Amino acid sequence: QAVLTQPPSASGTPGQRVTISCSGSSSNIGSNYVYWYQQLPGTAPKLLIYRNDQRPSGVPDRFSGSKSGTSGSLAISGLRSEDEADYYCAAWDDSLSGGVFGGGTKLTVL
Amino acid sequence: QVQLVESGGGVVQPGGSLRLSCAASGFTFSTYGLHWVRQAPGKGLEWVAFIRFDGSNKYYADSVKGRFTISRDNSKNTLYLQMNSLRIEDTAVYYCAKGSTTVTLWIDPWGQGTLVTVSS
Repeated sequence: QAVLTQPPSASGTPGQRVTISCSGSSSNIGSNYVYWYQQLPGTAPKLLIYRNDQRPSGVPDRFSGSKSGTSGSLAISGLRSEDEADYYCAAWDDSLSGGVFGGGTKLTVL
Repeated sequence: QVQLVESGGGVVQPGGSLRLSCAASGFTFSTYGLHWVRQAPGKGLEWVAFIRFDGSNKYYADSVKGRFTISRDNSKNTLYLQMNSLRIEDTAVYYCAKGSTTVTLWIDPWGQGTLVTVSS
């Protein structure tokens, strides 16, 4: 049972906008940054969003992140077939003194 | 460019031990924290451990605390994970990854992973 809660699946058609939620608590998202990772099939994860809403260089601006209270959110606009992947949120947890991940959301592009 | 190459994975019996290594290059190794993250077959990511840039502080997931030890050798640009008292549920791909200079879940980039299989 993951500490951060994500929907197990999401889907959309090409060009659509989809959002993936990540629910935590005051000890993790509520007091620390949220990070998002993309894992394409058969590959290692890749940093997609850092410090709640910042994009590393090379990540398209179709990807955006936000945080409100104890929840984070990842939005993907202009959905493309190559966005089909697993997406994970993550944060440091002050109570656990460790990192925590969400259970992951499998995004399907219909 | 930054490279992280894990080694040391393999098949081990329950109760056994294994030491993973991660050779790093392309950045100033001694100034960054480092993570181990694992992924059981067909499952999600699980954070395992983090070590600060100078090895002064180490953090562990409850699931491995007391059994796993993270360490680093800044003179060799190498990260380690000593795994003792291995259990079947420790079976996973183990990723070594570069963290930030502070204690966060900023993890970038990741190595390609090494598979650890605990089986009798």
